[in-house]
Amino acid sequence: EAQVTQNPRYLITVTGKKLTVTCSQNMNHEYMSWYRQDPGLGLRQIYYSMNVEVTDKGDVPEGYKVSRKEKRNFPLILESPSPNQTSLYFCASRPGQGPLNYGYTFGSGTRLTVV
Amino acid sequence: AQKVTQAQTEISVVEKEDVTLDCVYETRDTTYYLFWYKQPPSGELVFLIRRNSFDEQNEISGRYSWNFQKSTSSFNFTITASQVVDSAVYFCALSEALSSGTYKYIFGTGTRLKVLA
Repeated sequence: EAQVTQNPRYLITVTGKKLTVTCSQNMNHEYMSWYRQDPGLGLRQIYYSMNVEVTDKGDVPEGYKVSRKEKRNFPLILESPSPNQTSLYFCASRPGQGPLNYGYTFGSGTRLTVV
Repeated sequence: AQKVTQAQTEISVVEKEDVTLDCVYETRDTTYYLFWYKQPPSGELVFLIRRNSFDEQNEISGRYSWNFQKSTSSFNFTITASQVVDSAVYFCALSEALSSGTYKYIFGTGTRLKVLA
């Protein structure tokens, strides 16, 4: 089944403790992206990657890191999480850079709470 | 700047009523794409439709229909004979061309639809 898998689904952590949210897709998609969803703000892009070893900042990159060493994986790293990073996170992928490549396939989401 | 406005924060309807979710956008691109996504209570995001700026034909898929009007920069979504399973948050999104040659998607803030039995 074509899908984007992100883990964990739920995570509660303490301020300052490094964490990684994993994301993997099995569709050979070039383009991957991380979003955060907050009430009243919709989905905002954190980082995106156009291909292996090619990443760039989205609208709200502060406090996050990403890497794209392999095509299928795009982990999101919070080096020193803070309470304002409490949010619902989505990983998404699509076949390529252009909008012709239909819509995103989204992961199931990771609800992160930083206390 | 590119922008997507979903002015309706929350809508409640009774089952079998028709309901329209509004989406108004602003863009400087001559070619662009519009999308609708559904987020049911389980939380995942489900792709519903993509429409390009050159195709103003309305689209119907079962009880769902979409009305794209370039003149008013709107891409509204209508559910006919709503059902409880339609209860979800619905997001409208717009593609934006970046100088790097790629496209990003700009999402609206979503409309929460509650369909009451």
